[in-house]
Amino acid sequence: NAGVTQTPKFRVLKTGQSMTLLCAQDMNHEYMYWYRQDPGMGLRLIHYSVGEGTTAKGEVPDGYNVSRLKKQNFLLGLESAAPSQTSVYFCASSYVGVGTEAFFGQGTRLTVV
Amino acid sequence: AQSVTQLDSHVSVSEGTPVLLRCNYSSSYSPSLFWYVQHPNKGLQLLLKYTSAATLVKGINGFEAEFKKSETSFHLTKPSAHMSDAAEYFCVVSPSGNTPLVFGKGTRLSVIA
Repeated sequence: NAGVTQTPKFRVLKTGQSMTLLCAQDMNHEYMYWYRQDPGMGLRLIHYSVGEGTTAKGEVPDGYNVSRLKKQNFLLGLESAAPSQTSVYFCASSYVGVGTEAFFGQGTRLTVV
Repeated sequence: AQSVTQLDSHVSVSEGTPVLLRCNYSSSYSPSLFWYVQHPNKGLQLLLKYTSAATLVKGINGFEAEFKKSETSFHLTKPSAHMSDAAEYFCVVSPSGNTPLVFGKGTRLSVIA
């Protein structure tokens, strides 16, 4: 049982390049999330999904797109990377219901130069 | 809007002394509250959660937290700090149980030998 797996773990991009971060969970969770973590800012929600085929914007969605074509996968795309997107990205998943905690992946460290 | 305020960005304690990490929340609903821990270069791990049952919640590694509705607080405590407790701690609110988690900015705990 792998839990939440993020691919890749590290990446360096040049400004203007595009990339996709993959998140996979094997717990049959309905909800999936993408957060970014920056020093002193905690984790901020980028986009989330409450089920296959649905997505919604979070607190900081600009410059990112997401897709949830399969229940177990949640993809985060950067179409044209900017240095401001240098961050650590965390994917998480959870069941539906009051008080259900989220399970997190190990993170992807992205540097845009 | 739902929010979480962690009152200290950095707390330093000596090994064997008590730990207190402070958290206040605001929520229009009866919230679910969580504490997560992040060790250096690691993902996030759930320490404990409050979901409107007992107001004193016990978690892993000797940590506990008390929900005080009148003070809108959910402070994290541990009687005796260990070197392995050095990490970043996040107070998190789920405003209505089915909405994405909202993170505080984090408190870095240092433990001095």
